Amino acid sequence: QKEVEQNSGPLSVPEGAIASLNCTYSDRVSQSFFWYRQYSGKSPELIMSIYSNGDKEDGRFTAQLNKASQYVSLLIRDSQPSDSATYLCALRGTTDSWGKFQFGAGTQVVVTP
Amino acid sequence: EPEVTQTPSHQVTQMGQEVILRCVPISNHLYFYWYRQILGQKVEFLVSFYNNEISEKSEIFDDQFSVERPDGSNFTLKIRSTKLEDSAMYFCASMTGHEQYFGPGTRLTVT
Repeated sequence: QKEVEQNSGPLSVPEGAIASLNCTYSDRVSQSFFWYRQYSGKSPELIMSIYSNGDKEDGRFTAQLNKASQYVSLLIRDSQPSDSATYLCALRGTTDSWGKFQFGAGTQVVVTP
Repeated sequence: EPEVTQTPSHQVTQMGQEVILRCVPISNHLYFYWYRQILGQKVEFLVSFYNNEISEKSEIFDDQFSVERPDGSNFTLKIRSTKLEDSAMYFCASMTGHEQYFGPGTRLTVT
């Protein structure tokens, strides 16, 4: 079982619509969760982090965490063509390694005008 | 805005040669990381460094790899004898609190 799972996509979203990205993880010990955006050929850029169950909003982005279901999601409201990128889910902390980061393979988002 | 920098942006080396990848983390950050990303694959954790020593390392980070913080600003990754499969993007990252920021990466090509 993969430790961090994401749908690879591509997720096609009309401009102005909401993009919904999902991520599940296997290790209940994980405490910190992150969403990164990665444009092709570039490094990951931190969008937001979330540690507590519930929602966290930052501008057009909302992260949702449900530790009981081992699930974290990202909503992108009013999607723009510039949001076209690969979105990486990451977590920090596993049963055998509190400080180790693990990344999912990413979901490719394509925003169509 | 402070940022993580990495040099060189692209390194080409022959198999069996040693390479050193350099990073300057954000100045008030305490945790430093190296990751690699093989083309088309996910970001893979290599090693974390805190208080002048390795705090975590992955199974990828074998005896061919080493890290150093030779002075107050630089953080280096050395690969002693490169293999073809070491070809990848190598990202340095630094963290304060819970926020981790990546450098632009070094593309390593082993021929």
